[in-house]
Amino acid sequence: NAGVTQTPKFRILKIGQSMTLQCTQDMNHNYMYWYRQDPGMGLKLIYYSVGAGITDKGEVPNGYNVSRSTTEDFPLRLELAAPSQTSVYFCASSHSSGSVGEQFFGPGTRLTVL
Amino acid sequence: DQQVKQNSPSLSVQEGRISILNCDYTNSMFDYFLWYKKYPAEGPTFLISISSIKDKNEDGRFTVFLNKSAKHLSLHIVPSQPGDSAVYFCAASGYTGGFKTIFGAGTRLFVKA
Repeated sequence: NAGVTQTPKFRILKIGQSMTLQCTQDMNHNYMYWYRQDPGMGLKLIYYSVGAGITDKGEVPNGYNVSRSTTEDFPLRLELAAPSQTSVYFCASSHSSGSVGEQFFGPGTRLTVL
Repeated sequence: DQQVKQNSPSLSVQEGRISILNCDYTNSMFDYFLWYKKYPAEGPTFLISISSIKDKNEDGRFTVFLNKSAKHLSLHIVPSQPGDSAVYFCAASGYTGGFKTIFGAGTRLFVKA
């Protein structure tokens, strides 16, 4: 099992550009999540999904969009990149809800917006 | 509004001694607590967890203690090894007006050989 994979590993964007961060898991997990981690801060939940076709906002959803057309894939879309979106982005998945299930994380995407 | 707080940004411990990492939370609706470990340039990995119905959970060198009345949990690593040097995140989850897992800011542990 590859677990949770994320692409790209690094990306530099100009203000106003758009991009999609890809996330795929091969563990047949229903739950998937996107977090961002700013320097010296914990992980902030951007969006999450409890299954294909179902997504919901987390703590910091503004400026992002997601879709979940399959169990495996959960891409994160940035439409108009801003410097405030410079961060490290982690995708995660879990078998069950956070109350009982550990989350498996991808290696992260380091995004810089200039 | 920091619902999960790790007040020590860093901790330095000698190899073979005990490492104690602390975490405080404010929301009494949290019912499950987890610790994750993170090495540089990698994603966090699950380490150990505890349900709110317990006050202790042990897994090898790692033990998590939960004090619900104080809304405090701690992770004990004994004996500490140089390979334990990493950032440790405390996380709390439960239904808090929506499903969420809230992470603390992390504590960087240095284990000196």
